[in-house]
Amino acid sequence: QVQLVQSGAEVRKPGASVTVSCKASGYTFTGYYIYWVRQAPGQGLEWMGWINPTSGGTNYAQKFQGRVTMTRDTSISAAYMELRGLRSDDTALYFCARDSSSFYGEYWGQGTLVTVSS
Amino acid sequence: NFMLTQPHSVSESPGQTVTISCTRSSGSIASDFVHWYQQRPGSAPTTVIYEDNRRPSGVPDRFSGSIDSSSNSASLTISGLKTEDEADYYCQSYDGTNLVFGGGTKLTVL
Repeated sequence: QVQLVQSGAEVRKPGASVTVSCKASGYTFTGYYIYWVRQAPGQGLEWMGWINPTSGGTNYAQKFQGRVTMTRDTSISAAYMELRGLRSDDTALYFCARDSSSFYGEYWGQGTLVTVSS
Repeated sequence: NFMLTQPHSVSESPGQTVTISCTRSSGSIASDFVHWYQQRPGSAPTTVIYEDNRRPSGVPDRFSGSIDSSSNSASLTISGLKTEDEADYYCQSYDGTNLVFGGGTKLTVL
């Protein structure tokens, strides 16, 4: 069965960086895009961008351009999302999701809580 | 780019039917698929409707989706409401480059 397992919770100070990992199993990793979506406490879902695991090509939401980098390691079927210049309003639950080929998240990771606090 | 607007909250009694709307701000609702997610507190979203009106395996047929070009909106309808349906629901579409999410609707079953 398809599974996306994310790394554990992180705490960072303002200005720092964080990298969240998403390890895929149960399907051909290079066959589907990986999306990154975040959810601030009590708020809705916010799309951050996607990565094409085959080519490594990316597309970032305008809001995050310059601060986010999405990468992948096909040898271990993992995707990564690095967010830099953290601020308190980056405190959120970060999800990875696998595309379905219809541009929606068919399968989701369990989420990684990133807390930004001085 | 366009936005998807959902009501902030809806409530209905067990056994009744509720419809959650998702209105597209510009461009035709029919030009890109609309998908719907259910999210319970503390959990990841799960898909309840994809490609406007298709149900993933395991989702009961009490859940249905539709689009209405006249109102430029998509709808998620849940019939025979159960207390377990209480959750947040999000619509989502694609603008050719980005995924676009609605703001979410909190469904209360009381």
